[in-house]
Amino acid sequence: GAGVSQSPSNKVTEKGKDVELRCDPISGHTALYWYRQSLGQGLEFLIYFQGNSAPDKSGLPSDRFSAERTGGSVSTLTIQRTQQEDSAVYLCASSLRPGTGSYEQYFGPGTRLTVT
Amino acid sequence: TQLLEQSPQFLSIQEGENLTVYCNSSSVFSSLQWYRQEPGEGPVLLVTVVTGGEVKKLKRLTFQFGDARKDSSLHITAAQPGDTGLYLCAGVGSGAGSYQLTFGKGTKLSVIP
Repeated sequence: GAGVSQSPSNKVTEKGKDVELRCDPISGHTALYWYRQSLGQGLEFLIYFQGNSAPDKSGLPSDRFSAERTGGSVSTLTIQRTQQEDSAVYLCASSLRPGTGSYEQYFGPGTRLTVT
Repeated sequence: TQLLEQSPQFLSIQEGENLTVYCNSSSVFSSLQWYRQEPGEGPVLLVTVVTGGEVKKLKRLTFQFGDARKDSSLHITAAQPGDTGLYLCAGVGSGAGSYQLTFGKGTKLSVIP
């Protein structure tokens, strides 16, 4: 079956512009996660969605970052007024509801964001 | 804040050599996962270890979870060029935080033919 897909795969933008990154999770996965991976760093948690529950936004680094998940499926991560330090690979993952059976997050290929 | 320290950060070895990657924390995790990530792709789960002292083998890869569930190691026997990649350990939270993964910074492995 289809895995997690993300678009675009690469995005180059000018400082100060807004960007939207899209994630299509695996069908049937109720949980969705966004991470940021900077050069030489591990994965930094950004936000978690589970079904219709309020998302855990505790990892968002500033109020320029926001995310939505429409209809319990597709998610969009929006970065407003981009800064050079926002340059990174943004990874999306999905899973079955945590605590149900074997817990595994399935990752998409990521969006490489470069802010010039 | 839970932190996972991975070492070494970089490792370059000849084909056929053995290697060990370490993942250490001062915190206890409900379980620990190891991922492998190749350039341009997302991480892929290799194994989950749950019980303190647990040892799991995946072909030439041996994973161990410390008795206190704070540390783990990955040992590769007779490394091959196909093992090249970024290896990440991730601690899984417990209870209400069971969805949370705390990642180490990774070990970048290069196996030279």
